[in-house]
Amino acid sequence: KAGVTQTPRYLIKTRGQQVTLSCSPISGHRSVSWYQQTPGQGLQFLFEYFSETQRNKGNFPGRFSGRQFSNSRSEMNVSTLELGDSALYLCASRPTSGGNAEQFFGPGTRLTVL
Amino acid sequence: GDSVTQMEGPVTLSEEAFLTINCTYTATGYPSLFWYVQYPGEGLQLLLKATKADDKGSNKGFEATYRKETTSFHLEKGSVQVSDSAVYFCALSDLGGNKLVFGAGTILRVKS
Repeated sequence: KAGVTQTPRYLIKTRGQQVTLSCSPISGHRSVSWYQQTPGQGLQFLFEYFSETQRNKGNFPGRFSGRQFSNSRSEMNVSTLELGDSALYLCASRPTSGGNAEQFFGPGTRLTVL
Repeated sequence: GDSVTQMEGPVTLSEEAFLTINCTYTATGYPSLFWYVQYPGEGLQLLLKATKADDKGSNKGFEATYRKETTSFHLEKGSVQVSDSAVYFCALSDLGGNKLVFGAGTILRVKS
């Protein structure tokens, strides 16, 4: 089974721009979660989507948004980029939402904001 | 809110040395506990997990025991290898399993 894939792997943007990151979950997985990893704040939960609905949301400003498609693929969007948005964005999938099911992580998209 | 505290690194060991990375948590109820490992340039991989008190998770020679009384989940390995060099994250799953809460991560460097 193919793992979680994320595209692009690397991205460079300038302040004020917007960016869209993509995540394809493992086949059959319907839950997709997004995390931000930075040296200062560590790994922080952004949001989770299940069956095209946002189920949970972390403590991030409204500039961070996401969506999920009927094939479970997910995108996250960051508008009006700030320098502090530079981070590794990780996507994780699992078969369903909630419970103790293992989350499988993708390799991440490294976003650099100049 | 829920939180995870793990020992700061980097931890530098010689090959075949004994490894302990401390992890303690604060949470509502009895969360599931995890250790994830991140190799350079890669995402996170689940190393082991424990879902209830006194459970011992183990994988690839690594072990951790869920200690409710000390709210701890320390990672141990009897004999580390150079290939174990990575960043190790302790995490808990919040009540309901809605998200993972991670510790800051511990860099492990193993020298030959």
